[in-house]
Amino acid sequence: ETGVTQTPRHLVMGMTNKKSLKCEQHLGHNAMYWYKQSAKKPLELMFVYSLEERVENNSVPSRFSPECPNSSHLFLHLHTLQPEDSALYLCASSRSLAGFTDTQYFGPGTRLTVL
Amino acid sequence: KQEVTQIPAALSVPEGENLVLNCSFTDSAIYNLQWFRQDPGKGLTSLLLIQSSQREQTSGRLNASLDKSSGRSTLYIAASQPGDSATYLCAVGPASKLTFGTGTRLQVTL
Repeated sequence: ETGVTQTPRHLVMGMTNKKSLKCEQHLGHNAMYWYKQSAKKPLELMFVYSLEERVENNSVPSRFSPECPNSSHLFLHLHTLQPEDSALYLCASSRSLAGFTDTQYFGPGTRLTVL
Repeated sequence: KQEVTQIPAALSVPEGENLVLNCSFTDSAIYNLQWFRQDPGKGLTSLLLIQSSQREQTSGRLNASLDKSSGRSTLYIAASQPGDSATYLCAVGPASKLTFGTGTRLQVTL
């Protein structure tokens, strides 16, 4: 186990639904991340939070809305998604943002299917 | 903009063979380079991290090298086992802005 958990593991939703993905880290880290992994494409960094403040938003559509209520929890709120948003959504955490030796610890991901 | 390329995209080897996976990056101004492993439908597990000032790192049967000047890294796996079958991803840091390659899918056959 990596110490990063994600729920749900699988999610099927219609284009008009609203749902949320949850991530929790038990490692005492200060930074958390959301990534999108689509088939045949590199992981895409979506959002970065450091000490509950958003520090990076990589031109992600507004139908994805992140929330970081504390340093251990990260949510991704989804609404009016498109079929092309179907992917594996990965959460990760790291001790800090800029350390030379800091690595990211990943959760198992949520497999999202948008019908 | 940093770009990371991994070759080959897929590789199949018989058990016991030594193998090399390649990673190249376009911008040599990196904090570190990491190799991750991903099993199907799962998250990523960090294997090795090489700081920008280092040339290589070793862990068990794995050895990763880094040549910043040429923008290249290799992951050497010795005496491969079926349990090594997975996708191997290379990423360049810092942690706040990791850029990933598309990975090499490795299959080790009996």
